[in-house]
Amino acid sequence: GIQVEQSPPDLILQEGANSTLRCNFSDSVNNLQWFHQNPWGQLINLFYIPSGTKQNGRLSATTVATERYSLLYISSSQTTDSGVYFCAVESTGGFKTIFGAGTRLFVKA
Amino acid sequence: EAQVTQNPRYLITVTGKKLTVTCSQNMNHEYMSWYRQDPGLGLRQIYYSMNVEVTDKGDVPEGYKVSRKEKRNFPLILESPSPNQTSLYFCASSLRSYEQYFGPGTRLTVT
Repeated sequence: GIQVEQSPPDLILQEGANSTLRCNFSDSVNNLQWFHQNPWGQLINLFYIPSGTKQNGRLSATTVATERYSLLYISSSQTTDSGVYFCAVESTGGFKTIFGAGTRLFVKA
Repeated sequence: EAQVTQNPRYLITVTGKKLTVTCSQNMNHEYMSWYRQDPGLGLRQIYYSMNVEVTDKGDVPEGYKVSRKEKRNFPLILESPSPNQTSLYFCASSLRSYEQYFGPGTRLTVT
């Protein structure tokens, strides 16, 4: 099956810093999403981005499907950005969703 | 308010005692899914449903059952729970299989 790898596994930032999170996938996919799991465990949909670039405030994402990766950019990080960021893909030929192991982000005040 | 609800939120049970975790959505979504989350493993899909009476296995279906008799409900059934099913469980729904919205999670402990 498809393998989804996220890097880095852990990241510590000073408030105000920028960061880039990466998601690599091993095969063609139908869809790709980014989620944020906050420290209380809630999962929040950030982007649905099978290809191209999207922006939402301080967050933006880019997926290059032909090269099998996606990037999530966080600019001017805030303490409320802390949590775990997951990338999830849907395999072609079916409707299974496969998650990466996540990037754990801690933003220091 | 558009939401996915799960009940119970916390459950401690003993090995072999059948249990059901309910999931309900009020968004008229066709696609619903169950995941389990374990430390270091991210979320793994247990079962998903594309519509009423249509369900299929995810990556870790062993030990679980589901049913989709109504569009809004997608219960997860553990016929004979075992300690390795101790986990955090999430239900999700979406209009199609992407842009999923997640419930608050159910923390299950099997002793």
